[in-house]
Amino acid sequence: AQSVAQPEDQVNVAEGNPLTVKCTYSVSGNPYLFWYVQYPNRGLQFLLKYITGDNLVKGSYGFEAEFNKSQTSFHLKKPSALVSDSALYFCAVASGGYNKLIFGAGTRLAVHP
Amino acid sequence: SAVISQKPSRDICQRGTSLTIQCQVDSQVTMMFWYRQQPGQSLTLIATANQGSEATYESGFVIDKFPISRPNLTFSTLTVSNMSPEDSSIYLCSVDRASGLAGEVDTQYFGPGTRLTVL
Repeated sequence: AQSVAQPEDQVNVAEGNPLTVKCTYSVSGNPYLFWYVQYPNRGLQFLLKYITGDNLVKGSYGFEAEFNKSQTSFHLKKPSALVSDSALYFCAVASGGYNKLIFGAGTRLAVHP
Repeated sequence: SAVISQKPSRDICQRGTSLTIQCQVDSQVTMMFWYRQQPGQSLTLIATANQGSEATYESGFVIDKFPISRPNLTFSTLTVSNMSPEDSSIYLCSVDRASGLAGEVDTQYFGPGTRLTVL
């Protein structure tokens, strides 16, 4: 069965410091991996995805993620956090060649001034 | 990307009643999806709605409780029937432009959600 794990409920970072939000996955077949962000009282916004190709994927708002097949991970990173990055982040996986997304539990990112 | 709107944005309903949520997209799309996000939880796929065919429901969701319509390539509705407080959630629709054929995966874009509270 396909699954996604986000091991941290919350990540706290000081503004200007690098941030990492962790995601690991379990799928049969090739994984298609996505990161979304949810701001309060708003829907999900797409950040980036890995389908194939380069393991380092760059996305919106300065975010990037690295696909690591051996560790089955797809961690979200940003070199310098902003207070406005504070939100709920979801990792998701699609597999089997179909576009049914399985979401992780979400990680709340809090960036402190 | 796609511009997706949902109506209503929020509602408070009495138990035993039904609510129909509308999802409108600014361009034609093959696949539309409906998700539920219970309070403090992640998103769970309710069903996939393709135009011209019956919706495909995920395990734990049934058509009698969540009937879905997909009359054209830009519109879909989800009805939450005979509501109970356990149905209090955010309901989100999403779309992508994948054909629905195996081997084609595209980015899903989400609407703003409908926040439902059942008393």
